[in-house]
Amino acid sequence: SAVISQKPSRDICQRGTSLTIQCQVDSQVTMMFWYRQQPGQSLTLIATANQGSEATYESGFVIDKFPISRPNLTFSTLTVSNMSPEDSSIYLCSVFSGLSTEAFFGQGTRLTVV
Amino acid sequence: QKEVEQNSGPLSVPEGAIASLNCTYSDRGSQSFFWYRQYSGKSPELIMFIYSNGDKEDGRFTAQLNKASQYVSLLIRDSQPSDSATYLCAVNSDSWGKLQFGAGTQVVVTP
Repeated sequence: SAVISQKPSRDICQRGTSLTIQCQVDSQVTMMFWYRQQPGQSLTLIATANQGSEATYESGFVIDKFPISRPNLTFSTLTVSNMSPEDSSIYLCSVFSGLSTEAFFGQGTRLTVV
Repeated sequence: QKEVEQNSGPLSVPEGAIASLNCTYSDRGSQSFFWYRQYSGKSPELIMFIYSNGDKEDGRFTAQLNKASQYVSLLIRDSQPSDSATYLCAVNSDSWGKLQFGAGTQVVVTP
């Protein structure tokens, strides 16, 4: 199994500012995934972060709004830029253990934009 | 557009009864299937995964997969109040772990 540490666990931010969320994994993984869960909704994939290359974004998400870094095989960051109240969500990072075919999630970051 | 569909519920289940949750998916190339439980305000936790047709049992939980019908289900036997949560069905269509989630089914177990 993989242990994922995600921080901050929660934050309240002013609109127009940016927040960077960090995700640290206790083992090397090829792909890391960032999801968003809006209030009362299910999880939606934002992007896939591959070490050494640009992140791949899903439809409706763009790099200028959600820049991602993946400097090594155990760490990634997601920045929520120029925030608005509509960005208030839980953001989760995830990794997939190919050996066990399990997907693991960090504890999530609960973001409130005021 | 790949889709994963679940009944949103709430599904009300008497304590000790069996809760039956259903999920259908549109991508025939889907390879593995997951059931997550999510308590309010918490991140999802994996209950079971399945990738072969048939049944897979783990304690009080049984996952059933029928790839021909593009259908996966979760049975919770002897339901307990602690099982009250939202259950998310997730489908993996590639080997890298990108998941597509259903909207979730809220289960309420009543004493």
